[in-house]
Amino acid sequence: RKEVEQDPGPFNVPEGATVAFNCTYSNSASQSFFWYRQDCRKEPKLLMSVYSSGNEDGRFTAQLNRASQYISLLIRDSKLSDSATYLCVVKVPQGAQKLVFGQGTRLTINP
Amino acid sequence: DAGVIQSPRHEVTEMGQEVTLRCKPISGHNSLFWYRQTMMRGLELLIYFNNNVPIDDSGMPEDRFSAKMPNASFSTLKIQPSEPRDSAVYFCASSLWDSPDTQYFGPGTRLTVL
Repeated sequence: RKEVEQDPGPFNVPEGATVAFNCTYSNSASQSFFWYRQDCRKEPKLLMSVYSSGNEDGRFTAQLNRASQYISLLIRDSKLSDSATYLCVVKVPQGAQKLVFGQGTRLTINP
Repeated sequence: DAGVIQSPRHEVTEMGQEVTLRCKPISGHNSLFWYRQTMMRGLELLIYFNNNVPIDDSGMPEDRFSAKMPNASFSTLKIQPSEPRDSAVYFCASSLWDSPDTQYFGPGTRLTVL
């Protein structure tokens, strides 16, 4: 079983729609969680951290369910510029600097 | 501000040749990471350094791969001899040791081994 699993998509949604991605992780001792964004042929960039209580950044909402070991990302009022691959990222348990990346979910927003 | 710098951006070589990828981390960052990204396996951590010392190299695929960090502003990833299955995008990233959660990636080196 992979440490971090995501639905690879692709997701094709119209502009203005709401879209949600889920991700599951296998190590219950994981403590930090993130979403990174990667544009086509570019490097990954941190989109947002995911906190236990859930957090919001503009049109983006991230949530964590520790009991079920899954993380979600919700994008409201999607824009053409949201088209990218979204990577679910988990930091291995304390003592290490290692981030484990999911395969990514590819999102295309259509006009 | 300069971000992470990688060179070359593209490399095409023939099987059996030595390949050296270079990285300059963000000034002041003391952790450096080498990743490899392929369609099949996604983004994989190969090795990371803290204060120029290798901490975890468990992701290095085999002895053909080696990485060094002779000083705080420079690191290399070497493949010798290269094989077609090494074709991938290699990213270098850096962070502050006490803020490991935010890693800043370089633009990557796209390696093709023929």
